Amino acid sequence: DTEVTQTPKHLVMGMTNKKSLKCEQHMGHRAMYWYKQKAKKPPELMFVYSYEKLSINESVPSRFSPECPNSSLLNLHLHALQPEDSALYLCASSQVARTDTQYFGPGTRLTVL
Amino acid sequence: ELKVEQNPLFLSMQEGKNYTIYCNYSTTSDRLYWYRQDPGKSLESLFVLLSNGAVKQEGRLMASLDTKARLSTLHITAAVHDLSATYFCAVRKGETSGSRLTFGEGTQLTVNP
Repeated sequence: DTEVTQTPKHLVMGMTNKKSLKCEQHMGHRAMYWYKQKAKKPPELMFVYSYEKLSINESVPSRFSPECPNSSLLNLHLHALQPEDSALYLCASSQVARTDTQYFGPGTRLTVL
Repeated sequence: ELKVEQNPLFLSMQEGKNYTIYCNYSTTSDRLYWYRQDPGKSLESLFVLLSNGAVKQEGRLMASLDTKARLSTLHITAAVHDLSATYFCAVRKGETSGSRLTFGEGTQLTVNP
């Protein structure tokens, strides 16, 4: 089973709203990732968690707040977003090993009004 | 800073023809990945190449890696319409916990009947 699930599939929010994106995997992977992808562009790494600890933060604005409650779950809390934050948000997971292929979830398409 | 360049960025080809997508990267890395993305969908892992001279094949796609030239190729043999998608190469920057991938801009492939 190489499935990463994400909810919701679509999210529309205003600039004053607070919302959360959820990601789940049951492959026993100990590294989890958040990416942002704009249309016709490659994914851009936002955060990496390794063994439930934040290991990489790619200078992401504080209006994005990641959380890793356990080894299977990854959340991204959103607050006071801007319209330019509208994008596809992808979650991925991998082993922490030499063969660390990242498996991506289906994504959450976020629209900020 | 690691840079990854793909070419061509757009490729329109006829069914039955062969073609190659190129991926160049700027600094030493021992791991290169190829992903496929269909419109509005997530990324699907195709290949991971771990060493110089590595070659992997799946169906009509074959990927190779030359770490000395910092070059990977994705060769398409006898293209069919189902191969129409965007193909990304991604290079891993060495990390000890979780991996930071840098993606190329992607090659949008259209296979015409």
